Amino acid sequence: GNSVTQMEGPVTLSEEAFLTINCTYTATGYPSLFWYVQYPGEGLQLLLKATKADDKGSNKGFEATYRKETTSFHLEKGSVQVSDSAVYFCALNSNTGNQFYFGTGTSLTVIP
Amino acid sequence: DAGVIQSPRHEVTEMGQEVTLRCKPISGHNSLFWYRQTMMRGLELLIYFNNNVPIDDSGMPEDRFSAKMPNASFSTLKIQPSEPRDSAVYFCATQDTSLTGELFFGEGSRLTVL
Repeated sequence: GNSVTQMEGPVTLSEEAFLTINCTYTATGYPSLFWYVQYPGEGLQLLLKATKADDKGSNKGFEATYRKETTSFHLEKGSVQVSDSAVYFCALNSNTGNQFYFGTGTSLTVIP
Repeated sequence: DAGVIQSPRHEVTEMGQEVTLRCKPISGHNSLFWYRQTMMRGLELLIYFNNNVPIDDSGMPEDRFSAKMPNASFSTLKIQPSEPRDSAVYFCATQDTSLTGELFFGEGSRLTVL
């Protein structure tokens, strides 16, 4: 079956620290992979995506590479800011039957 | 485009009352999803529609929940009768399946059942 497993939170970092949030997936076929971000009181927003193996998604300084050999899509940012404090969700679309699967979310707090 | 529009943003009601949540998808998006988010259970898919037809409603908790999509520009999620354990944030998300497949979420409807 299809599933997404992401790093448990919460994560607390100092400003300008390096961020990694791990995400691994199980999927049949060739899924598309996504990272969504949810700021307090808001809906989920697409942060970045990758639709095939070895693709790198990037946005706002965040990056993630679709690694088929390790079934991973880890989120990274070289220098986090206070404004990055949010909950981050890894997700996949199976592309067969249009099923989305979300991870449990990782809460990130960045302190000045 | 205004994005996915949900109403009401906040609703407080008493146990036993009927609750109706509404969603207007992005124009041209042909798939619509209803999710529920709680601290305990995270993000749960309740139901999704493709071209206004319900495809998978296996996530609907019980018969008290129902969802409709009478046309391409409107969907409702109804809870009758409501219970305190239904308190959550309900999100509508839509998708254009002819493009790259990401979901676009509304800002959610926060429901509190007393």
